[in-house]
Amino acid sequence: EADIYQTPRYLVIGTGKKITLECSQTMGHDKMYWYQQDPGMELHLIHYSYGVNSTEKGDLSSESTVSRIRTEHFPLTLESARPSHTSQYLCASSEYREDNYGYTFGSGTRLTVV
Amino acid sequence: AQTVTQSQPEMSVQEAETVTLSCTYDTSESNYYLFWYKQPPSRQMILVIRQEAYKQQNATENRFSVNFQKAAKSFSLKISDSQLGDTAMYFCAFEGGSEKLVFGKGTKLTVNP
Repeated sequence: EADIYQTPRYLVIGTGKKITLECSQTMGHDKMYWYQQDPGMELHLIHYSYGVNSTEKGDLSSESTVSRIRTEHFPLTLESARPSHTSQYLCASSEYREDNYGYTFGSGTRLTVV
Repeated sequence: AQTVTQSQPEMSVQEAETVTLSCTYDTSESNYYLFWYKQPPSRQMILVIRQEAYKQQNATENRFSVNFQKAAKSFSLKISDSQLGDTAMYFCAFEGGSEKLVFGKGTKLTVNP
């Protein structure tokens, strides 16, 4: 079944640690996105990619980085986690279809930095 | 830059009744997509309904329908025969030529038994 997978689902980590949030999709979509969802549930785009070796920063400044070496994989890395990074991170992908266009979201990673 | 406004932070409705969630947006583009997404508590964000701006006919998906008023830049979601499983955050979203999805702040809908 085509879908988008995020791991881990929950992560509690100490300040200063390096972490990578994984995101993989099986649909062959070229476009992938990372959104940060704050406690008030508002969603902010932090990174996006339109294909392999293409990455751009989103509308909300973030200290995280991303890579896109393979179409299906779009990991997000924090080199040194801080409490201000505590948030939910949602990964999404999309590709235009005439009668079936939309973004598919992963289940999210809820990150807590202590 | 495009903006999406949802003016109702929270709403509640009785089971089996109808509720309408409001959304307005601001854009200078003529071709774009509008979406309603549903995010149940601690669960995955899922697409409820989409509307292409060039289509005048309002989209419908089972109990969910939209009222798309392009000139007024309004895109409301009507949920008929509300069910307990409809309890969720609902996000209105816009995608134009930038190919990036811009979300409103969401409306928390509670369906009461």
